[in-house]
Amino acid sequence: DTAVSQTPKYLVTQMGNDKSIKCEQNLGHDTMYWYKQDSKKFLKIMFSYNNKELIINETVPNRFSPKSPDKAHLNLHINSLELGDSAVYFCASSQNLGTSGTHNEQFFGPGTRLTVL
Amino acid sequence: KNQVEQSPQSLIILEGKNCTLQCNYTVSPFSNLRWYKQDTGRGPVSLTIMTFSENTKSNGRYTATLDADTKQSSLHITASQLSDSASYICVVSMNTGFQKLVFGTGTRLLVSP
Repeated sequence: DTAVSQTPKYLVTQMGNDKSIKCEQNLGHDTMYWYKQDSKKFLKIMFSYNNKELIINETVPNRFSPKSPDKAHLNLHINSLELGDSAVYFCASSQNLGTSGTHNEQFFGPGTRLTVL
Repeated sequence: KNQVEQSPQSLIILEGKNCTLQCNYTVSPFSNLRWYKQDTGRGPVSLTIMTFSENTKSNGRYTATLDADTKQSSLHITASQLSDSASYICVVSMNTGFQKLVFGTGTRLLVSP
């Protein structure tokens, strides 16, 4: 009964390849996110989707293309992988977008460690 | 610039001892402040969430405080256990019409037997 799941857990690939990471949540949440955690363990938002609609795109290169077929899924496709893309990518979800004064807790998946050689 | 800074960067304590982790932020407009625990190889898990009007919140042996005037927060861990070894991340949520999280770099805690 995993709340937020990601596949694969590990991904090793060559520079220039295209790869996808899948994310699914069974919490009935409206909002999903992708975060990147670099080698210094710093987490940074990449995208957020609310009811399949893109809300946040934090100046991520257009080689990264999120796709939300339904509100329970938010997949991340990466074209022409570069060495700097090596990181751990976390998917997360929350009840909704959140408004001031509310908690709107985010639940994180286990992460996908991407290594680009 | 919206930033969250944590100290210390890393900490080693003996099992059974208490410790306090610090967080300073310059995020505005402020919505809420969260503390997450991240075990090695896992995603962050929420410990506490505090809005502007909440200045302390407990979750078992974890107690978080918030001073919204000085923009400081602390996480106090009581009677530490080996399983407390993890990274603790302070996260401030901005309210820009919707919530956007700004993460600190974390404090890596090692509880030694």
